[in-house]
Amino acid sequence: NAGVTQTPKFQVLKTGQSMTLQCAQDMNHEYMSWYRQDPGMGLRLIHYSVGAGITDQGEVPNGYNVSRSTTEDFPLRLLSAAPSQTSVYFCASSYSSEQPQHFGDGTRLSIL
Amino acid sequence: AQSVTQLGSHVSVSEGALVLLRCNYSSSVPPYLFWYVQYPNQGLQLLLKYTTGATLVKGINGFEAEFKKSETSFHLTKPSAHMSDAAEYFCAVILYGNNRLAFGKGNQVVVIP
Repeated sequence: NAGVTQTPKFQVLKTGQSMTLQCAQDMNHEYMSWYRQDPGMGLRLIHYSVGAGITDQGEVPNGYNVSRSTTEDFPLRLLSAAPSQTSVYFCASSYSSEQPQHFGDGTRLSIL
Repeated sequence: AQSVTQLGSHVSVSEGALVLLRCNYSSSVPPYLFWYVQYPNQGLQLLLKYTTGATLVKGINGFEAEFKKSETSFHLTKPSAHMSDAAEYFCAVILYGNNRLAFGKGNQVVVIP
């Protein structure tokens, strides 16, 4: 099992560009989530999904879109990148929201 | 509103000394509680969890935590720090009826030889 795989690992964007961060899991987990990690802020929930076709907003959803067309994949889209979105992004998955989450290794994103 | 409070962003501990990281949550109903560890340039790994049952929970790498409902706390301890314990530690909670995992701001642990 590969677990939770995030691509790319690093990315530099210019302000206004769009891009998609990929997340895939091979554990047949229903629950998937996206977090951003900023120094001194811990991890903050962006969006989450309790199953294919179902998504909901987290604590900091503005500027991000998600979709969940399959159980395995949960991509995060930045619509128009802003410097405030410079961060490390983590995808996680679990069997249900109450179960411990498995985390990917993160995507380090810089917006210039 | 902050659901999870971790005090002291940086914690220094001597090798062989007790590691104590404090976590308090704000909820009238006991939540599900977790401690995660993050090593440099890696994702988070689960150390231990509390859902129901025994209030003293043992995790990996010699860590344990005790759920105290009266104090709304879930402090993490390890009797003797090792150099390999240098990492960032996060307390996290899922409140009853909520699908969202809320994290504290983390403790960066430095182990002094």
